[in-house]
Parts: sequence; structure tokens; C-alpha cells
Amino acid sequence: QQQVKQSPQSLIVQKGGIPIINCAYENTAFDYFPWYQQFPGKGPALLIAIRPDVSEKKEGRFTISFNKSAKQFSLHIMDSQPGDSATYFCAASTASGAGSYQLTFGKGTKLSVIP
Amino acid sequence: DVKVTQSSRYLVKRTGEKVFLECVQDMDHENMFWYRQDPGLGLRLIYFSYDVKMKEKGDIPEGYSVSREKKERFSLILESASTNQTSMYLCASSPRGGLRQPQHFGDGTRLSIL
Repeated sequence: QQQVKQSPQSLIVQKGGIPIINCAYENTAFDYFPWYQQFPGKGPALLIAIRPDVSEKKEGRFTISFNKSAKQFSLHIMDSQPGDSATYFCAASTASGAGSYQLTFGKGTKLSVIP
Repeated sequence: DVKVTQSSRYLVKRTGEKVFLECVQDMDHENMFWYRQDPGLGLRLIYFSYDVKMKEKGDIPEGYSVSREKKERFSLILESASTNQTSMYLCASSPRGGLRQPQHFGDGTRLSIL
């Protein structure tokens, strides 16, 4: 079964720290790697995404690093803030036989940023 | 902004009941998805649909069915609810255009089966 392995399960950092969340995958058919952010009581929302032909992507304080040969990717949050406290999911996308696509999600990382 | 609306935030049903979860999106998206979210297990795909009346099984379809009679509406059906189907259910939609289109999620239905 397709899998995306995410670690750590939970993470506590001080304000201003740089939390790092790691994901690894096996299926080389995955062709797009988004990260979703979920606040309590809300559905996940797309945060940032990367294609496999790019090694790094930055959007504001959020950076994805991608290592295609190792089949690993990670999310870094620069200058983290209490408002970044949320659950983060990595995901990988692959085309389905129906002409559509589906996402496979990691199990999530609960991030707490302490003031 | 894309809006994905799930009809109920909380739902309590009894074992053996037939349960319907409804989802409506307002952006004319072709693709719609149903996930369940459980602590420590992340999001797992139950079913998805890429067009009206079309459906595809996801990773955990057992015990569920779906219906898509109109483009904007995607229903998840628990044929005979069981306690192990107590979970948070999330609906999502995305436009056609390949696997790099973002999915837009509703805020979920927390379903308890007693």
C-alpha cells in the first residue's frame, strides 16, 4: 500500500524557533508533494507544495526541502509564532487510473509554539 | 474563496442505522473526495469522484458507499453503521487539471456511533 511516513508525531518549540517536520515515501510514482495545515475545528488547508524536480521552495516563513534520491522531504518554519500552532500533514499525489488523482497523507504532526 | 460545506458538524447515530453525510461545494469542481480522520492515523481516503455519477474506491472503502447525482454534491453513506466508524469525516473538492490541483476541505463532520 502506498505510504507516506511522517515524523515526529508531536513537536514543541519556543517562539522564534525553527520546527522541522520530516516525511519519507517509497512510491516513485508520487509526483507532487503538498503540505496541509489544520487548526482545531477546521479542515486542512493547503500551506505549500513542491514538485519533485525542485529541491527547495519558500513561501514566507515556510520552506520545503526535497531530496528526490533519498525520497524524503521536510517542512521548516522560520521564526515560528504561537499562531503556527496546528497539526501539519505532508502528502504525496499520484494519478489514478480514472484520470483523476489522489493524495496519500502522512499521519500528522501536532506543533505547539510556546510564547 | 472556495467553500466546501458539510451538512452537519456533529452527528450521533445508533449501530445498524443507515447514515448519510452530505457535502456541497460552490466552485464547480469536478473532483470530490471523502476522508476519515482518526488520531494517529492521519487522513485516509474512503472514496472519490471525478465526475457526476462516477466513483472510485480509495484506501478504506469497506462499509461505505457514495453517491454523486449532481456536480456540486457528494454524499457518503454508511449502509449499516458500526462503532468502528466513529470518526471525523472530511469532504474535499478540487478542479480538474491534474494531480497538482489543491484540494479544498470542509470543516468536517464528527460522527459518533453508539
